[in-house]
Amino acid sequence: AQSVTQPDIHITVSEGASLELRCNYSYGATPYLFWYVQSPGQGLQLLLKYFSGDTLVQGIKGFEAEFKRSQSSFNLRKPSVHWSDAAEYFCAVGAKGSTLGRLYFGRGTQLTVWP
Amino acid sequence: GAVVSQHPSRVICKSGTSVKIECRSLDFQATTMFWYRQFPKQSLMLMATSNEGSKATYEQGVEKDKFLINHASLTLSTLTVTSAHPEDSSFYICSAGDPGGEPQHFGDGTRLSIL
Repeated sequence: AQSVTQPDIHITVSEGASLELRCNYSYGATPYLFWYVQSPGQGLQLLLKYFSGDTLVQGIKGFEAEFKRSQSSFNLRKPSVHWSDAAEYFCAVGAKGSTLGRLYFGRGTQLTVWP
Repeated sequence: GAVVSQHPSRVICKSGTSVKIECRSLDFQATTMFWYRQFPKQSLMLMATSNEGSKATYEQGVEKDKFLINHASLTLSTLTVTSAHPEDSSFYICSAGDPGGEPQHFGDGTRLSIL
């Protein structure tokens, strides 16, 4: 069965500190992997995606993620967090061609940034 | 700018009212759109897949007669919550895939509150 696990419900970091949000997935086929960010009361904004190729992908706002097939993980990282990064982060997985197919979401990780 | 527009952003209405939510793709034609529901502090749960010119495909446990979906054109899908009750209060988000190969784009969501 397809599933996405984000083990951390809530993470708090100080501004300027590094960040890593964990994501593990279970998927029966070659996965397409995504990270989205959601501000309160807003829709989802795509941070980055992995389809194939280089397993370290760069996204917007200074975020990056690394696909590790052996660990079924796609962790999101940022070397120095800004206060504006405080939001909810969702990891998602879909099939190749997932443009036209459904996505499976993790439950999300709430990020709080202390000044 | 936004490529998927969702309207309205917020609705407050009395119990028993039917509410229509629109999802429009602005820059591309979307043969498939998706409707998600998000409860507070929880992830997005797919409700149904909206297919242009044909019936929507509903996820298990989603009442077809309660949540009516119409995808009458390649740029518009609507979700109508019929005879809404307080338990239908939630955040509803639509998404659409660009057949050109980009990942799905999400609307900004609709906050539905039933009194």
